[in-house]
Amino acid sequence: AQKITQTQPGMFVQEKEAVTLDCTYDTSDQSYGLFWYKQPSSGEMIFLIYQGSYDEQNATEGRYSLNFQKARKSANLVISASQLGDSAMYFCAMREGRADSWGKFQFGAGTQVVVTP
Amino acid sequence: DTGVSQNPRHKITKRGQNVTFRCDPISEHNRLYWYRQTLGQGPEFLTYFQNEAQLEKSRLLSDRFSAERPKGSFSTLEIQRTEQGDSAMYLCASSYRAGNSNEQFFGPGTRLTVL
Repeated sequence: AQKITQTQPGMFVQEKEAVTLDCTYDTSDQSYGLFWYKQPSSGEMIFLIYQGSYDEQNATEGRYSLNFQKARKSANLVISASQLGDSAMYFCAMREGRADSWGKFQFGAGTQVVVTP
Repeated sequence: DTGVSQNPRHKITKRGQNVTFRCDPISEHNRLYWYRQTLGQGPEFLTYFQNEAQLEKSRLLSDRFSAERPKGSFSTLEIQRTEQGDSAMYLCASSYRAGNSNEQFFGPGTRLTVL
């Protein structure tokens, strides 16, 4: 069964606007971590933001924030004030278990974001 | 140490040939992961090591695939008798198992094309 679901294959957003990328997850573990990575056309995976399952506050990192709704099992990424350099593929990922025993990532299929002038 | 490195960056081979990829993790990282990413998809987990021990293997890792990390430092991923379906980007990542360490650092990947 798919553990991470990203329902938006692609999105266009205008420069300086905010964009929300959807992510829902499926786990029976109480302890897990949620991550967002950016993959530009050059191919490298760039870590953006992390949310732990026990974190009560939504994570923020600069222009990135994670809208964590635990009961809905959603972890949407919000990018504020989009820039042309934000054009990339964005992946939501999950690691299950305790933070000190995490193993593999499980990734969603990704959302392609194109920022237009 | 500037990050995870992978060699080669690109590999073109003929069907049926064997290929080997190398990953050098960040030096203090004790965990090393291999993922496979096909076009338009997210990375899929293949296997991971803690030091030299291979702790988990995906069912995607058929008997034609083998991975090693002999001294707990660099790792190799070998694919024997390559098939066209093996064409993909092979990503390596490393992390440090301690406390709240949560991030995996990815290498640039090795793009394999099987003709």
